Amino acid sequence: DTAVSQTPKYLVTQMGNDKSIKCEQNLGHDTMYWYKQDSKKFLKIMFSYNNKELIINETVPNRFSPKSPDKAHLNLHINSLELGDSAVYFCASSPYTRSSGNTIYFGEGSWLTVV
Amino acid sequence: DAKTTQPPSMDCAEGRAANLPCNHSTISGNEYVYWYRQIHSQGPQYIIHGLKNNETNEMASLIITEDRKSSTLILPHATLRDTAVYYCIVTSNNAGNMLTFGGGTRLMVKP
Repeated sequence: DTAVSQTPKYLVTQMGNDKSIKCEQNLGHDTMYWYKQDSKKFLKIMFSYNNKELIINETVPNRFSPKSPDKAHLNLHINSLELGDSAVYFCASSPYTRSSGNTIYFGEGSWLTVV
Repeated sequence: DAKTTQPPSMDCAEGRAANLPCNHSTISGNEYVYWYRQIHSQGPQYIIHGLKNNETNEMASLIITEDRKSSTLILPHATLRDTAVYYCIVTSNNAGNMLTFGGGTRLMVKP
């Protein structure tokens, strides 16, 4: 009964490839996110997707594109992978209610290594 | 979102209370204080949040000063499994708002 699940958990790929990371949440939440945690352990927001509105962090290269086929899924597609894209990518979701506010539930992460 | 300042690391003896401070002197009236933690190799985990009143749940207590410029997360009886990086985040409660994580405090609970 995993709440926020990501696949794959580990991914090793070559520079220049295109890859996708899938995310599904079974919590019925309206908002989903992608975060990136680099080797220095800083956790940075990449995207927020709420009620069909996509909010993009402007520092994210346009090689990264989120795709949401429905409210329960927010997949991350990455084109032309670069060495610097190696990181842990976390998917998350939040219900947004007046009481819970922005309580966010994270997945277990996808470890991406670009060689 | 207002900026937060936390000590980079702290130690705590197992079974004792862990008090993790956070400064947020530029917090505005509609901003909440959130605490998350990240245990090694896991996704961040929500702990607690509050606006101005002190809050308590099964995981921790949150004490917010009257002027709201600082707060303290209290783990009443720390265990080895509480070893993690603890993040204090200040943000408004708007839908879809994106939390910005700082460096956090690395708490080491020692036997």
